Order: sequence, then C-alpha cells, then structure tokens
Amino acid sequence: GAVVSQHPSRVICKSGTSVKIECRSLDFQATTMFWYRQFPKQSLMLMATSNEGSKATYEQGVEKDKFLINHASLTLSTLTVTSAHPEDSSFYICSARDLGGKTSNEKLFFGSGTQLSVL
Amino acid sequence: QKEVEQNSGPLSVPEGAIASLNCTYSDRGSQSFFWYRQYSGKSPELIMSIYSNGDKEDGRFTAQLNKASQYVSLLIRDSQPSDSATYLCAVGSTLGRLYFGRGTQLTVWP
Repeated sequence: GAVVSQHPSRVICKSGTSVKIECRSLDFQATTMFWYRQFPKQSLMLMATSNEGSKATYEQGVEKDKFLINHASLTLSTLTVTSAHPEDSSFYICSARDLGGKTSNEKLFFGSGTQLSVL
Repeated sequence: QKEVEQNSGPLSVPEGAIASLNCTYSDRGSQSFFWYRQYSGKSPELIMSIYSNGDKEDGRFTAQLNKASQYVSLLIRDSQPSDSATYLCAVGSTLGRLYFGRGTQLTVWP
C-alpha cells in the first residue's frame, strides 16, 4: 500500500531554535497533505492543510507565522516550527491524500509522527 | 475545529466480550466517518469507515451510523487483548480534512 514517510521521528531542541519536519509520499503524488498535532492523552488536532504550489490553509487558532508550511512538490511537504518553546513540545503527524487511480478510492495515509521536545 | 465527542473511558472489558465505543459530532452536514486505532507514540491506523446510515461490518468490527442523531459507534466483538489501544473517532470534512475526537482508551484483560 501507499506509504508516507515522516522525518525525523524524534527531535530535541533548545528553546528559540527552529525545527523542520518533512513529510513525503513515497509512491503516489499528493496535492494535499495535512499536519496534525497531538498532546499527551489528547486527540489529534488538525493544524493546517498543505496545498502543493499554493499557500497552506490554517485552522482557526493556529499561528501561520509560527508553523511555516511549504509544499513545493507533489511528494513533499515540510512543517517548520519557528522559535520553538517548551509549550510546542508535542507529537506532530502528517497525512497525505492519495486521490487514487481510475479503479481505486481516495485514501488518506499517515506518517509515523515526530515527537518534538523543546528544552 | 468541528467538535467530535467520545465517551471518556477508559473502557475495560474481559477477553471475549463486546466493546462498545461511542462518538457524537456537531456538524450535521458531515458525510464521512472513521474509526482509527492508535497505540501510544504511533500514528493512527484506519479500522473502519462508514458513509451511510446503518451498520457496516468487517470481521469482528461493526460501525454504526445515525446521521439524524449525529452519532457513530464501533462495536468490537470477541475482544482480544491485542485490541487494547486508544480508539479515535474522526469526522471527514472537505478536501480530505479529518477532525478527531479525544479518543477512548480500551483495555481488554485476559
């Protein structure tokens, strides 16, 4: 089946630094990708919709200047957490939408997630 | 964010029992509904999807949808210890966006 690769799986950084997380669709083209954040024992919260070749669409309450999203190709979206602070520590997960071929249905595939810890 | 509510749990059932997980959603126009299983520190795994009112069965899993009541449920028959996980209800929106509930932690004890 389709695979979405997310990298890195874990990152520890100092407060004030920026962290980039990559999400790649390995065997399909994804015009749309999604970024979620999950705090411990909380649900996945949709942060933004990443659109290839255009600006990302952010959910209400998500700071677009803090969470920079770039979707420069049909297989890669990146999320950059700028000037990270301890409260940004969370599990970040991407997903990619495979619109499928003529005989398959649209499917959504998740990356393996990135655990960000900001000291 | 669209609101998706799940019964708080945690839910604990003996092996072989039926586990019942419930979910309500706020957007009456929602058309697609999903149940995911998630293990700690891992990404969610799709268990079931349902789009029409009624029941949908897949092996030991049955999803039930009632759009009039804005209610979705998941039944797990013959529960196994390996079913122990957090179950997330998700409601689909436009362009593939998903809105998740908080999740119900299920423990199946031998």
